[in-house]
Amino acid sequence: DIQMTQSPSSLSASVGDRVTITCQASQDISNTLNWYQQKPGKAPKLLIYDASNLKAGVPSRFSGSGSGTDFTFTISSLQPEDFATYYCEQYDSLPITFGQGTRLDIK
Amino acid sequence: QVLLQESGPGLVKPSETLSLTCTVSGASLNTHYWSWIRQPPGKGLEWIGYIHYSGGTNYSPSLKSRVTISIDTSKKQFSLNLSSMTAADTALYYCARGYYDSLTGYYLSGAFDSWGQGTRVTVSS
Repeated sequence: DIQMTQSPSSLSASVGDRVTITCQASQDISNTLNWYQQKPGKAPKLLIYDASNLKAGVPSRFSGSGSGTDFTFTISSLQPEDFATYYCEQYDSLPITFGQGTRLDIK
Repeated sequence: QVLLQESGPGLVKPSETLSLTCTVSGASLNTHYWSWIRQPPGKGLEWIGYIHYSGGTNYSPSLKSRVTISIDTSKKQFSLNLSSMTAADTALYYCARGYYDSLTGYYLSGAFDSWGQGTRVTVSS
């Protein structure tokens, strides 16, 4: 299985901050990397697909980059509704695997 | 708008088989990949497997011996059977749809763009 390692596992930030989360794959996955936001009691929400493509309707303050084994997810200016847990996911090889999650909370 | 709704028992006894159904509205099951994903309490996400609209399936190797996913396109439902349940299978179970990338025309096996609200399953005698 491809292991996905997210960093950091938790993060405290303030409204207006720029936040970056990284995800490292245990082997080359090209650009088959997706990012999700999950709020308590809710299903995950797809934000970014194929490393850098913003899903339609998702605010442009969210962005993603990277290829191969190293990927970055950025929120350019944190909004109050962005405090949540974020997951990366690879689908290059089966089984599909997720990172362990990054919990983003208010400083 | 695509809506997915899981249904099934909330409590299963050890060694029994879990059967869940996902009913889809607002979309046809004749396209896309359709997956089951679970989340143990307070933990991360685990992909269980998917079924392709053609009927082809793929399962997580860690669960493969116990999992069956099937589809009934006429009823707009797909289902999960997980046998020999143990306490380790206690989780929130989601059904989800893989994304259709209109830029490339490809249906993606991952990138889950529509999810059910989840159904909580507890394994206990």
